[in-house]
Amino acid sequence: EDKVVQSPLSLVVHEGDTVTLNCSYEVTNFRSLLWYKQEKKAPTFLFMLTSSGIEKKSGRLSSILDKKELFSILNITATQTGDSAIYLCAVDSYNNDMRFGAGTRLTVKP
Amino acid sequence: DGGITQSPKYLFRKEGQNVTLSCEQNLNHDAMYWYRQDPGQGLRLIYYSQIVNDFQKGDIAEGYSVSREKKESFPLTVTSAQKNPTAFYLCASANPGQRGYTFGSGTRLTVV
Repeated sequence: EDKVVQSPLSLVVHEGDTVTLNCSYEVTNFRSLLWYKQEKKAPTFLFMLTSSGIEKKSGRLSSILDKKELFSILNITATQTGDSAIYLCAVDSYNNDMRFGAGTRLTVKP
Repeated sequence: DGGITQSPKYLFRKEGQNVTLSCEQNLNHDAMYWYRQDPGQGLRLIYYSQIVNDFQKGDIAEGYSVSREKKESFPLTVTSAQKNPTAFYLCASANPGQRGYTFGSGTRLTVV
């Protein structure tokens, strides 16, 4: 059965800390892996990763995919209180559906 | 501005009642999806539709029904057969090869 597993499920840090969120997957017909940030309602898109070893960066956020080991990490450096959110990992497949992990709830304290 | 609109934002239902959640998009997307989100369980796929007048069951379709009579609209009905309907429901849309899904703001359904 296809699955996406995120860890940790919850994380509390202080401003300025660096965090690493993990996502492992077992999905047939893999097409891409996506990271979303969900603050209150709708998840918003962060990254889409399709190739191994190529780091995607956006400001203090970066992500990388390892298709051999079937995992991805999302790094956030110099965290700010505005980074507090649920971070969702999702894997898109050629089966025409997207499977989500349970999410990591990140809390950044001042 | 293009987007995807879900309504209502909050919905209360008595046990035994059917309720319909609305999802409308003006992005000209072919595919639309319904997800359910419970605490600690991420998003689980209920139904999806790749084209008008066609839809497929997701992982947790029991107790739900959908229709796709128009490209822009993909309403979800939560029937009385759904034993634990209290949850946050998210609708999404996409085109093939698009970078990720576009999500609506969600509907929080509470059974009272």
